[in-house]
Amino acid sequence: QQQVKQSPQSLIVQKGGIPIINCAYENTAFDYFPWYQQFPGKGPALLIAIRPDVSEKKEGRFTISFNKSAKQFSLHIMDSQPGDSATYFCAASGTGTASKLTFGTGTRLQVTL
Amino acid sequence: NAGVTQTPKFQVLKTGQSMTLQCAQDMNHEYMSWYRQDPGMGLRLIHYSVGAGITDQGEVPNGYNVSRSTTEDFPLRLLSAAPSQTSVYFCASSYSSFRWDRNYGYTFGSGTRLTVV
Repeated sequence: QQQVKQSPQSLIVQKGGIPIINCAYENTAFDYFPWYQQFPGKGPALLIAIRPDVSEKKEGRFTISFNKSAKQFSLHIMDSQPGDSATYFCAASGTGTASKLTFGTGTRLQVTL
Repeated sequence: NAGVTQTPKFQVLKTGQSMTLQCAQDMNHEYMSWYRQDPGMGLRLIHYSVGAGITDQGEVPNGYNVSRSTTEDFPLRLLSAAPSQTSVYFCASSYSSFRWDRNYGYTFGSGTRLTVV
């Protein structure tokens, strides 16, 4: 059962473009929504996270938009750079003790010159 | 501060062989987990632990065994390797209780690429 659905599977944008990656969740008990960035040969690393009482969060060029009623959230990368080329995973969990993260299937982003 | 250390980085096994993937963390995290990553499947939880002496199954536990004798170490054992276990394995750790004023996110190791032939 896929509790977090992520799209698109892959994305190619030109430098300076704004790639958008979307995720949808089913479990209304989820209240923590992080995004992870993974470079080839490396483990995923936490990029940015949001809680459901906030509709938007920005950290540098990365922005999460959150729509609680639609159970959807998305990652926007402003002024994308070739160094942003990586695989991005959305995830969701509760915030109770030892709540387990459920990951989306990942989006491979390529930023071209 | 080394974070999460996984060994080995690469391994080739024959069908039926057993082996242990090692994972150690030095952040005093209570929670540790093992994921496997396969193309198009994302990260799937194999086993997890909320503290020393406590383990539980995740989404895809069959064929794997874990134990947690110390806070720092969380080895993953493949009992009898099968080609379906060819994958990249990641160990992750985090605090068990959530607080926004500290880095709650999972810290991942760099992975073990396992091939079963």
